Amino acid sequence: GQQLNQSPQSMFIQEGEDVSMNCTSSSIFNTWLWYKQDPGEGPVLLIALYKAGELTSNGRLTAQFGITRKDSFLNISASIPSDVGIYFCAGQTGANNLFFGTGTRLTVIP
Amino acid sequence: ETGVTQTPRHLVMGMTNKKSLKCEQHLGHNAMYWYKQSAKKPLELMFVYSLEERVENNSVPSRFSPECPNSSHLFLHLHTLQPEDSALYLCASSYTGGDNSPLHFGNGTRLTVT
Repeated sequence: GQQLNQSPQSMFIQEGEDVSMNCTSSSIFNTWLWYKQDPGEGPVLLIALYKAGELTSNGRLTAQFGITRKDSFLNISASIPSDVGIYFCAGQTGANNLFFGTGTRLTVIP
Repeated sequence: ETGVTQTPRHLVMGMTNKKSLKCEQHLGHNAMYWYKQSAKKPLELMFVYSLEERVENNSVPSRFSPECPNSSHLFLHLHTLQPEDSALYLCASSYTGGDNSPLHFGNGTRLTVT
């Protein structure tokens, strides 16, 4: 199946700093999704992107669907302790064709 | 209430046991999924049911047997598992139609095979 390269694998940042992570692939996707997973819970959808070039915000989160349709990034502004968790990107080509990245583990130091 | 409920949350079983994982969705979706999440690996799709019919089976060993009696319920029957099957098993649901909805996940069952 398609491989998604998500980076960085982990980040340690100070509270208040901005965060940026991205996902790249050699394959084209129709949809990009960003999920967050807290310990002991399942992934929760943060942002869904449906068009190349689309830039979408959800509070302090902003994500973009790359023009080439092969990449996406997620930014978090003014990080807070509850931003801690694992962030996953996912690219989708069809109803049952969803591929996940390996995740970015975010640690926020108060 | 996540909309997708999984039970049990934790399960420890021996290699000769038979157990079942249960998933229920309250979102009006028509597709349900089983994923396996292991450390440092991408989520692995195991099974997909759309409109209660299995549409995907990603080379999963036969010791995992899914069942979808209706569009709101999904089971994963386990028997003679191996220690490497220890992982977080996530159920998800979505609506597959003109505008496919993203997957909504449950909180998973943490499975340990001893």
